[in-house]
Amino acid sequence: EPEVTQTPSHQVTQMGQEVILRCVPISNHLYFYWYRQILGQKVEFLVSFYNNEISEKSEIFDDQFSVERPDGSNFTLKIRSTKLEDSAMYFCASSDAGGNTEAFFGQGTRLTVV
Amino acid sequence: QKEVEQNSGPLSVPEGAIASLNCTYSDRGSQSFFWYRQYSGKSPELIMFIYSNGDKEDGRFTAQLNKASQYVSLLIRDSQPSDSATYLCAVNMDSNYQLIWGAGTKLIIKP
Repeated sequence: EPEVTQTPSHQVTQMGQEVILRCVPISNHLYFYWYRQILGQKVEFLVSFYNNEISEKSEIFDDQFSVERPDGSNFTLKIRSTKLEDSAMYFCASSDAGGNTEAFFGQGTRLTVV
Repeated sequence: QKEVEQNSGPLSVPEGAIASLNCTYSDRGSQSFFWYRQYSGKSPELIMFIYSNGDKEDGRFTAQLNKASQYVSLLIRDSQPSDSATYLCAVNMDSNYQLIWGAGTKLIIKP
């Protein structure tokens, strides 16, 4: 069964360092998303991406964040200068159509900023 | 403020009984509604989605939507211990892409 894959599963980084979280969406999907979940809190939308550009982003997704689809399969989230409060699970998701269809999630990357 | 509200639980249900999970949302114009299951430390897993008023059944799961009351529910029949998890309600409001999430209801199925 097709699935969204994310690497690494766990990333530990020092405050102020740049991190890149990687995702391989389901191959025939066109819409890609990043969500995050701080431990014990709600899942929060970060950004959606379609046709090689950001289609929507939340207030959380400030200038420290960027996304890229560097090739035909990968979808990355970059955090330029990590802060302690960026520590969370980051989930990549993809769907074959826009927000009114179901999105499938990867297993997540646990980011720990120390 | 766009909100999705769920009772955090835990909701304890005996094995074999029906578990009923509820969710309310703030935006009357919301279009689509999703139920995800999340085991501790894992990613959300889609169970069901519903767009129209009424009931939608898939195996042991039934989603119920009442747009007039801004209420969506999930029923799990013949509950199994493996159903023990946190159930997340997510709503697509006036956006084409963004889901707004509830905090989840923790469900415990007692053998």
